[in-house]
Amino acid sequence: GDSVTQMEGPVTLSEEAFLTINCTYTATGYPSLFWYVQYPGEGLQLLLKATKADDKGSNKGFEATYRKETTSFHLEKGSVQVSDSAVYFCALSDQAGSNYKLTFGKGTLLTVNP
Amino acid sequence: DTGVSQDPRHKITKRGQNVTFRCDPISEHNRLYWYRQTLGQGPEFLTYFQNEAQLEKSRLLSDRFSAERPKGSFSTLEIQRTEQGDSAMYLCASSPSRTGTEAFFGQGTRLTVV
Repeated sequence: GDSVTQMEGPVTLSEEAFLTINCTYTATGYPSLFWYVQYPGEGLQLLLKATKADDKGSNKGFEATYRKETTSFHLEKGSVQVSDSAVYFCALSDQAGSNYKLTFGKGTLLTVNP
Repeated sequence: DTGVSQDPRHKITKRGQNVTFRCDPISEHNRLYWYRQTLGQGPEFLTYFQNEAQLEKSRLLSDRFSAERPKGSFSTLEIQRTEQGDSAMYLCASSPSRTGTEAFFGQGTRLTVV
């Protein structure tokens, strides 16, 4: 079945540091890929997405590129801020199915210190 | 539009009791999903509705769990004879069918079974 493996945390960085959170996936067909973020006390929010190979999703300074050859969708940000502290989830949706349910990784807790 | 709304936000119940949660999706969204998230894990798919029809149920959804979506609007998730292993965050999400894969999540209902 489908699965997502992401870098386990926690990850602790200083403000303005470079961030990478690794994500790899296993899926049949041609999935769409997502990064969701969960800020403390809030619900899951879509951060960015990519629907086909070589697409780059971007939002709020975060980027991720859909790499079919390495089955990866790593999240990057050039300069993190304290406000980026949150749990980040990589997810896929197998469009071969009819309901587009999401399969999530376990999440990576990011803490950014001033 | 206030987004996906879930009620209650927190529920503490004694083992063996029945509980029911409610989800109000974004009004124009005809797809509705339930997920369960345990501590340190990503959300896991439970079930999916297209309008009022329940189209898929995960093996995680035992016979003690039932979900409904009468009239294709709000949805309820009922757990009968709760067990301590049912303690988790129950998340509801909705999406419009035209975009397919972008799901919007509620803040969840945290269930504690004592």
